[in-house]
Amino acid sequence: GAGVSQSPSNKVTEKGKDVELRCDPISGHTALYWYRQSLGQGLEFLIYFQGNSAPDKSGLPSDRFSAERTGGSVSTLTIQRTQQEDSAVYLCASGRSGIQYEQYFGPGTRLTVT
Amino acid sequence: AQTVTQSQPEMSVQEAETVTLSCTYDTSENNYYLFWYKQPPSRQMILVIRQEAYKQQNATENRFSVNFQKAAKSFSLKISDSQLGDTAMYFCAFSYGNKLVFGAGTILRVKS
Repeated sequence: GAGVSQSPSNKVTEKGKDVELRCDPISGHTALYWYRQSLGQGLEFLIYFQGNSAPDKSGLPSDRFSAERTGGSVSTLTIQRTQQEDSAVYLCASGRSGIQYEQYFGPGTRLTVT
Repeated sequence: AQTVTQSQPEMSVQEAETVTLSCTYDTSENNYYLFWYKQPPSRQMILVIRQEAYKQQNATENRFSVNFQKAAKSFSLKISDSQLGDTAMYFCAFSYGNKLVFGAGTILRVKS
């Protein structure tokens, strides 16, 4: 079956612009995660969605970052007024309910803020 | 603080040989899960192996096995009979609440 897909694969934007990153999870997966991977760093948790429950936004680095998940499926991560330090690869993962289960990752979106 | 330390930024191994990647972590939790993920140049993260902290028996998955020492908070990954396709960045992680806490990764290069 289809895996997790993300779009765009690469995004170059000017400082101060807003960007939207999209994630299409595996069908039937109720859990969806967003992570940020900066150059030479591990993955940094951003936000977690589980079914219809309120999302866990504890990893969002500032109020410029927001995310939504419509209909329990597609998710969009929005970064407003982008800064150069936002440059990173943004990874989305989906899985079954419960942190003990495997997370299936998408290929990521490489964001470059100039 | 919840942290993961991977002390080896880069490692190399000859094809068919065995290599061990180190991982130590710090958590205040008693029940958690530990993971090794692999990220090849394609950027797609793939689960390699998983360990439940309440199980003393070390997990194995074909050529991959772990040495889990809970008291020492150590979770190393052993790759036997290394193959060229094992070349990737390897990340150690543990579960904390709704999230995974990742280390900075170890780049493994398998040489022919």
